[in-house]
Amino acid sequence: GAGVSQSPRYKVAKRGQDVALRCDPISGHVSLFWYQQALGQGPEFLTYFQNEAQLDKSGLPSDRFFAERPEGSVSTLKIQRTQQEDSAVYLCASSQGSGASTDTQYFGPGTRLTVL
Amino acid sequence: GENVEQHPSTLSVQEGDSAVIKCTYSDSASNYFPWYKQELGKGPQLIIDIRSNVGEKKDQRIAVTLNKTAKHFSLHITETQPEDSAVYFCAASRGGSYIPTFGRGTSLIVHP
Repeated sequence: GAGVSQSPRYKVAKRGQDVALRCDPISGHVSLFWYQQALGQGPEFLTYFQNEAQLDKSGLPSDRFFAERPEGSVSTLKIQRTQQEDSAVYLCASSQGSGASTDTQYFGPGTRLTVL
Repeated sequence: GENVEQHPSTLSVQEGDSAVIKCTYSDSASNYFPWYKQELGKGPQLIIDIRSNVGEKKDQRIAVTLNKTAKHFSLHITETQPEDSAVYFCAASRGGSYIPTFGRGTSLIVHP
């Protein structure tokens, strides 16, 4: 496709359930980012991949959060034992280059996660 | 770390008026300042950016100004149209870092 796609667009989980969020970046983009956007806030960085390598996971809020990009294209963000505070929109972005600050990041539409 | 403050949180204007959104940043090493527009149900989209070696940049109806000494930058939209209604985010990042710090966003409402 022409842009970054994410699925599902909406996810409702009961507290304690595991969830998996998928991101399909723009074809050929080297860099992939995950962000968390709470209601009324700007996106906050979670983790960064360069191809299949996870170079930075400093933004992951706890060890319940795990991300992978095994073949350097599609990425999955997994949240184990979801808590209410995990409710947010999870955004994926990709960029063509190797993560320079001035590389344009193209965002997907996000997955809205609601934990009951 | 970097801290980006954005004002106002909500801005309501009449069609044809100008709109100005202001951001300040704390890290003097920040040198790249993108602005994003986020429409309902969509991800942020880059609309304009400015680097620290430039004081002003313009693209049709939008412009961004940067004052490095004061550590603030602004987005100017002229001749606003209803389709400009969205949430706008400023961001700042330092050279060598791929992690932008975002402001909290400004909800712009353009009344026809």
